[in-house]
Amino acid sequence: NAGVTQTPKFQVLKTGQSMTLQCAQDMNHEYMSWYRQDPGMGLRLIHYSVGAGITDQGEVPNGYNVSRSTTEDFPLRLLSAAPSQTSVYFCASSYGGRAYEQYFGPGTRLTVT
Amino acid sequence: KNEVEQSPQNLTAQEGEFITINCSYSVGISALHWLQQHPGGGIVSLFMLSSGKKKHGRLIATINIQEKHSSLHITASHPRDSAVYICAVESFQGAQKLVFGQGTRLTINP
Repeated sequence: NAGVTQTPKFQVLKTGQSMTLQCAQDMNHEYMSWYRQDPGMGLRLIHYSVGAGITDQGEVPNGYNVSRSTTEDFPLRLLSAAPSQTSVYFCASSYGGRAYEQYFGPGTRLTVT
Repeated sequence: KNEVEQSPQNLTAQEGEFITINCSYSVGISALHWLQQHPGGGIVSLFMLSSGKKKHGRLIATINIQEKHSSLHITASHPRDSAVYICAVESFQGAQKLVFGQGTRLTINP
């Protein structure tokens, strides 16, 4: 199993550009989440999904869009990048809804200039 | 006040020392996670607890639900244990959403 994969690993965007961060898992996990990690702050939840076709907002959803058309994939879209979105983004998955081990992707380091 | 507080924020120790990292939380939880993040690296799950104590190699995690407190212990610490250790809790309410502490940066010197 590849586990949770994320692409790209690094990305530089100009303000106003859009892009999609890819996340995929091959463990047949129902739950998938996107987090951002900023210096001095804990990981914060952006969006999450409890299964294909079902998504919901987390703590910091503004400026981001998600969809879940398959169990395996959970892409995160930046609609119009802003410098405040400079961060490290992690995708995570777990088998079920409560008290299941979390599996994290390797992260995407995004810089918006 | 953050829902999840870790202490200390930074910890430097000598190889071989016994390490304790603390996590306190303010909400009712269904589970607590301890995670490890190496510099420039990804995040891996160390433990998930809902009660009692778990051990894996030199790592031990305990939780006291009544006191809303968990500890992560490392015995016979080694420089390769140097990493950021993160506590995260799942609240009772709603779907699985993790709330994270700010992390404890551990440095073990040889």
